[in-house]
Amino acid sequence: SQQGEEDPQALSIQEGENATMNCSYKTSINNLQWYRQNSGRGLVHLILIRSNEREKHSGRLRVTLDTSKKRISLFITASRAADTASYFCATLDTGRRALTFGSGTRLQVQP
Amino acid sequence: DTGVSQDPRHKITKRGQNVTFRCDPISEHNRLYWYRQTLGQGPEFLTYFQNEAQLEKSRLLSDRFSAERPKGSFSTLEIQRTEQGDSAMYLCASSGTGGNTMNTEAFFGQGTRLTVV
Repeated sequence: SQQGEEDPQALSIQEGENATMNCSYKTSINNLQWYRQNSGRGLVHLILIRSNEREKHSGRLRVTLDTSKKRISLFITASRAADTASYFCATLDTGRRALTFGSGTRLQVQP
Repeated sequence: DTGVSQDPRHKITKRGQNVTFRCDPISEHNRLYWYRQTLGQGPEFLTYFQNEAQLEKSRLLSDRFSAERPKGSFSTLEIQRTEQGDSAMYLCASSGTGGNTMNTEAFFGQGTRLTVV
């Protein structure tokens, strides 16, 4: 079963704009990760945030974690056409050994 | 290439046939995972190996599915008596050099796309 519920399901923005994607989870988690997937390809890891962290940065990416709301957000600043892809949040639930993925946000960046 | 490789990339089979997929993880990784992904959905966990031991299986993994990881290196996923509902992308991932949880990033292969006709 999939835990993460992502919103929006689809997002279309202009190049240079910022993108925001959110993911809600239900159970106790060890860490949360974001992955990117280009059409028909494998997933590529973007960033990991542990349950005791509140914010992480990696290049143009920023992730925030609100454990009281059980919500994680991914921010992409100054988006580029090459950022067009599907983005998945994934949780490592406490006691589990494998990630549980959300249904994804499909991001389209218009040049 | 030191990434995760999967073979074949595409497989078309007739309903009722058996198929086998192979995954070669990153060599130093002891953890290996199989996921299944259908169009427009996120990957769904199927099974997990730590070294050669299969430690977790999803309820999605019916008795027609079997996975092995002999010697703790490559892994195979076999589907017997395929059904049209088995059509999906089958993804393999590996991670970590220690511990038994996915507490570090996972590296995914490009997947095997199965079409059952």
